[in-house]
Amino acid sequence: GAVVSQHPSRVICKSGTSVKIECRSLDFQATTMFWYRQFPKQSLMLMATSNEGSKATYEQGVEKDKFLINHASLTLSTLTVTSAHPEDSSFYICSASRPGGSQETQYFGPGTRLLVL
Amino acid sequence: RKEVEQDPGPFNVPEGATVAFNCTYSNSASQSFFWYRQDCRKEPKLLMSVYSSGNEDGRFTAQLNRASQYISLLIRDSKLSDSATYLCAVNKEDNFNKFYFGSGTKLNVKP
Repeated sequence: GAVVSQHPSRVICKSGTSVKIECRSLDFQATTMFWYRQFPKQSLMLMATSNEGSKATYEQGVEKDKFLINHASLTLSTLTVTSAHPEDSSFYICSASRPGGSQETQYFGPGTRLLVL
Repeated sequence: RKEVEQDPGPFNVPEGATVAFNCTYSNSASQSFFWYRQDCRKEPKLLMSVYSSGNEDGRFTAQLNRASQYISLLIRDSKLSDSATYLCAVNKEDNFNKFYFGSGTKLNVKP
């Protein structure tokens, strides 16, 4: 399968600070990347779709000014959680869309665990 | 109604058993379907795609029923290592091929 990396794997920060998470596709170019959030024992919830060279598309209920997304190149997308609060503590996972055959497949990064104190 | 629904389980089965999960989807325009496996505190990993004609990979068989809008995953000869949460994903092709995930079905394979 394709390789997608995510950094950092774990972050502990104080309330009010901003946290940047990087997502890289290592062996293919991804024009589209996705950011998900997963709370314990819940499903992955799509937050936004990151498009190289254009603005991200956010799902309903996700604040675009709080979760800043930048897709600067075909292999890198970043998610910045601005002014993080304890309720933002979650497992953040990115995925990169790789075309193949008759279906596009998403490959996930290893995720970033964010704990806001 | 949720885009994708799954029975959360858990399904507790003995080694060697055959177990099947279903996943229903609400949007008849959905085009692509996948099963992912997620281990505790890890990211989902692609298990298999689900094609209209069905798909088999070793002990795993995936089927699509468009008329009833569900996909299924059958695991034969369960192994202890199959214990995980199985997520179905449904892709509605728009400009960005967004995926919607079910909440997952937890499988526990016991010795």
